[in-house]
Amino acid sequence: AQSVTQLGSHVSVSEGALVLLRCNYSSSVPPYLFWYVQYPNQGLQLLLKYTSAATLVKGINGFEAEFKKSETSFHLTKPSAHMSDAAEYFCAPLLNEKLTFGTGTRLTIIP
Amino acid sequence: GAVVSQHPSWVICKSGTSVKIECRSLDFQATTMFWYRQFPKQSLMLMATSNEGSKATYEQGVEKDKFLINHASLTLSTLTVTSAHPEDSSFYICSASKGGVMNTEAFFGQGTRLTVV
Repeated sequence: AQSVTQLGSHVSVSEGALVLLRCNYSSSVPPYLFWYVQYPNQGLQLLLKYTSAATLVKGINGFEAEFKKSETSFHLTKPSAHMSDAAEYFCAPLLNEKLTFGTGTRLTIIP
Repeated sequence: GAVVSQHPSWVICKSGTSVKIECRSLDFQATTMFWYRQFPKQSLMLMATSNEGSKATYEQGVEKDKFLINHASLTLSTLTVTSAHPEDSSFYICSASKGGVMNTEAFFGQGTRLTVV
């Protein structure tokens, strides 16, 4: 069955530290993959997307993600966390022409 | 850039009444729009996919008679929650795609928080 898994429902990092949010997908064919960010009581904003071009994708706000077919992963990283990065992050592969959202990871930044 | 506007951003209604939520693509034509429901601290669950001028396609378990979706134009889709009950209270989010069933990007509205009392 096609699915997506986000390991870690909550991640806390210190301001200035590396951010790593994990996402693994399950699909017989590598799908398009998206990372979205959601601030409280708001909709979703696209951070970045993988559409079978470059495996290392750079997004907004200093985020990037690397598609690794062998690991079926698309982890999101940012070298240095900022307080404004505190939010909910969703990984979403495009499966059967539909965005399938992971359970989300709440990122907390420690001052 | 592509902007999707949802209205209202929040609404409180009495049990048994109906509520309509609008989703508009402000600067592009959206062939396809999607409606999601999000419970507190949970992920987004796709409710239905609507294509302009045709009936919406509902996901398994979503009552089509309760959640009426209309996509009358390329810039507007509406979700009507009929005979709302407290268990319908949730955050509803729409998204719109520029081309095909899903172009390589969907643009999301800011969401509507529905509270049924």
